Amino acid sequence: QVRLQESGPGLVKPSETLSLTCTVAGGSVNSGSFYWGWIRQPPGKGLEWIGYLYYNGNTNYYPSLKSRVTMSLDTSKNQFSLEMTSVTAADTAVYYCARGFCTGAGCQLYYFDFWGQGTLVTVSS
Amino acid sequence: EIVMTQSPLSLPVTPGEPASFSCRSGQRLVGSDGYNHLVWYLQKPGQSPQVLIYLGSTRASGVPDRFSGSGSGTDFTLKISRVEAEDVGVYYCMQALQTPITFGPGTRLDIK
Repeated sequence: QVRLQESGPGLVKPSETLSLTCTVAGGSVNSGSFYWGWIRQPPGKGLEWIGYLYYNGNTNYYPSLKSRVTMSLDTSKNQFSLEMTSVTAADTAVYYCARGFCTGAGCQLYYFDFWGQGTLVTVSS
Repeated sequence: EIVMTQSPLSLPVTPGEPASFSCRSGQRLVGSDGYNHLVWYLQKPGQSPQVLIYLGSTRASGVPDRFSGSGSGTDFTLKISRVEAEDVGVYYCMQALQTPITFGPGTRLDIK
């Protein structure tokens, strides 16, 4: 069974950088069959895709966040990470990491099948 | 960006009765592979979303057969044949056709 676990600070000051790591167990991040993604959910609101990365390092980010977001893989630790700079209160949310199953030559995403439990990040001074 | 809409926003249902959720996309979700890249998730209270249906109508592993998905193009429906108490939560549709990946606002199912 694949398990994903987010870790990182629960409180970040405005204008600083949010850094989260997702540790994957039961599967390898070095696989061409999956994307490794981040999705967030502001308190009481819906789901927002932040972006995902592929085993070869290719990334794809939500356009409005692209200038502030960086995702990376650490295959030696079987982890992937999210960094978001210049955070504001609007970035307060539960952040989920998730595995996206893909198929075909272009790795068409089918669905996010395994999700972490989520971690609440609050942006406040 | 493909905009996803859902209706209704709230759905009170008596246990044992059916439930139906609607999802519409701002453009057709048919990929070059011929599949509709529409996914349904259920987020139970206090939990992460769990996949129910993908490719518009394929049940994910372990999902009870009382859940079914249908539709094509821009209009999709999720049906529960007989609602159980454990089905309470928010149902989201998500388009996986292209980036940015987008979700609908969700439909909250409550038990009457």
